[in-house]
Amino acid sequence: GAVVSQHPSWVICKSGTSVKIECRSLDFQATTMFWYRQFPKQSLMLMATSNEGSKATYEQGVEKDKFLINHASLTLSTLTVTSAHPEDSSFYICSARDGRGSGEQYFGPGTRLTVT
Amino acid sequence: AQSVTQPDIHITVSEGASLELRCNYSYGATPYLFWYVQSPGQGLQLLLKYFSGDTLVQGIKGFEAEFKRSQSSFNLRKPSVHWSDAAEYFCAVRPGYNKLIFGAGTRLAVHP
Repeated sequence: GAVVSQHPSWVICKSGTSVKIECRSLDFQATTMFWYRQFPKQSLMLMATSNEGSKATYEQGVEKDKFLINHASLTLSTLTVTSAHPEDSSFYICSARDGRGSGEQYFGPGTRLTVT
Repeated sequence: AQSVTQPDIHITVSEGASLELRCNYSYGATPYLFWYVQSPGQGLQLLLKYFSGDTLVQGIKGFEAEFKRSQSSFNLRKPSVHWSDAAEYFCAVRPGYNKLIFGAGTRLAVHP
């Protein structure tokens, strides 16, 4: 089956620093990847839609200058949290849409970010 | 606007008992419907999906779901719950070929 990986699986950083999270589709090409944020015991909230070779589309209320998304290839998208603050601590999950067939989304295992 | 409602935030069942998790959606046409399961600290695993055709769909781990257009529902069922089924369950809709919209989730606890 289709596999999506995320790296790192968890990260702790100091307030004011930037953190990069990678999302890779391992055995398929993903023209579109999605970035979600999940607070404890809550649902997934879509942050942005990332299309290969073009600018990401951000959901309302998501600061695009704070959450930088790059989708440079058909198998890799990155999310960079810039100047992180404790309120950015969360579980970040990516998904990749298989461009073939029904375009099903496959989810990565998530990255837990803790900002101290 | 499209939305998904999971009325039950938390459900507890005994091992071996049957389970039904409710999901209602709001959308003008028939959307693509999904159920995902999330174990603590993990990503989402697809249990099953409905695109068209037979309204009763079978998924992995013994789960099934029934699409009822008249009720705008897509409830998830399992005839006999196992302790390993304890997790968070999310219903989601995908209007067309677009982003997923998730419900708030239902946390399932299983008593031995």
